[in-house]
Amino acid sequence: DAGITQSPRHKVTETGTPVTLRCHQTENHRYMYWYRQDPGHGLRLIHYSYGVKDTDKGEVSDGYSVSRSKTEDFLLTLESATSSQTSVYFCAISEESGTYEQYFGPGTRLTVT
Amino acid sequence: KNQVEQSPQSLIILEGKNCTLQCNYTVSPFSNLRWYKQDTGRGPVSLTIMTFSENTKSNGRYTATLDADTKQSSLHITASQLSDSASYICVVILNYGGSQGNLIFGKGTKLSVKP
Repeated sequence: DAGITQSPRHKVTETGTPVTLRCHQTENHRYMYWYRQDPGHGLRLIHYSYGVKDTDKGEVSDGYSVSRSKTEDFLLTLESATSSQTSVYFCAISEESGTYEQYFGPGTRLTVT
Repeated sequence: KNQVEQSPQSLIILEGKNCTLQCNYTVSPFSNLRWYKQDTGRGPVSLTIMTFSENTKSNGRYTATLDADTKQSSLHITASQLSDSASYICVVILNYGGSQGNLIFGKGTKLSVKP
């Protein structure tokens, strides 16, 4: 998984609780992304980062916030989890040049009850 | 609207047989097209990347083709193996730079290879 780890790998939480997912890379890539994957949908971009403290919204950013204080770490926070945020979350990284190919982490399965 | 449509949704084939997966896109401006393989419980892994000027790209038993005029791509798998069982995702990148998250994902084709 191209030097990308995600934690936790599985989490069950209750509606209304805050949740933070962590993505850690050892590739020193500038760009990092958070996606969610749901049945019947393609991967959808939540937020991405183009550098330390530089982030922007993706297609489905409502209810999510992110932070990046170090090159290697990108955090995704659900301030108050809802059942609609039950999903598999993938982190990805990409290089700064060439084809900007994205490399994906192993995913985090989040269940909000 | 930028869209990527894949067909079929799912496919079952016998080990050793060939198969072809389809991808149609309505994405503009087009930069490049990628095929990813996603094993169950894992993240997607890139198989091929093609720019608009490339017609075909191979990676072992996987061959991707691209027709930029008709906006169609296909992924051909030769002599399938049980390990080919996975979802195959077509991704089209907008010409704003892939680093900015301008990727349009298809919903994938779920391939099952049976012994």
